[in-house]
Amino acid sequence: ELKVEQNPLFLSMQEGKNYTIYCNYSTTSDRLYWYRQDPGKSLESLFVLLSNGAVKQEGRLMASLDTKARLSTLHITAAVHDLSATYFCAVDIFTNAGKSTFGDGTTLTVKP
Amino acid sequence: GAVVSQHPSRVICKSGTSVKIECRSLDFQATTMFWYRQFPKQSLMLMATSNEGSKATYEQGVEKDKFLINHASLTLSTLTVTSAHPEDSSFYICSARWTGGNEQYFGPGTRLTVT
Repeated sequence: ELKVEQNPLFLSMQEGKNYTIYCNYSTTSDRLYWYRQDPGKSLESLFVLLSNGAVKQEGRLMASLDTKARLSTLHITAAVHDLSATYFCAVDIFTNAGKSTFGDGTTLTVKP
Repeated sequence: GAVVSQHPSRVICKSGTSVKIECRSLDFQATTMFWYRQFPKQSLMLMATSNEGSKATYEQGVEKDKFLINHASLTLSTLTVTSAHPEDSSFYICSARWTGGNEQYFGPGTRLTVT
């Protein structure tokens, strides 16, 4: 059974600071995703990582994937209040009929 | 591109009644659709996977007679919550993908409240 673990689950940080969210998974994966969810809203796709060593950046967020370590990171640079949200990673494995397994989410609060 | 809609966005119903939620892919043909539920401050829980023209595959612990899923066309899947109870109150989210596609596209969600 595929397991996906995120840490930390809660993160409170000051504006301007950097931090990293970690996503570990338990078996070989085909794809890894990062999503953002605002309160009361659905998921917004941030990144799709398809291969070992993949790195993608959008604004203050950068995601990377190490398939050998079964680890993805979401790095936040110079956080701003607008980044406050819950971030989920999710993992696909080919044999799982296209289903994704989600981590528990990291709730990020950026304080002024 | 790759837009998924859900209707309604919010619904309140009385205990014992049924409610139907629609999920549509607006600009692509969704060979597979997924239905999730999410309780407050929790992650998404996959309820079922539906493929067009086939019976849905339900996750362990999800009552198939209570949560009826129909995927009648490549652009529409419906979830019917039958004989709803207050504990069915939740945020229901659908997603869709096409064969060979790299990701799922999520709908905006439906907030169900059962009184």
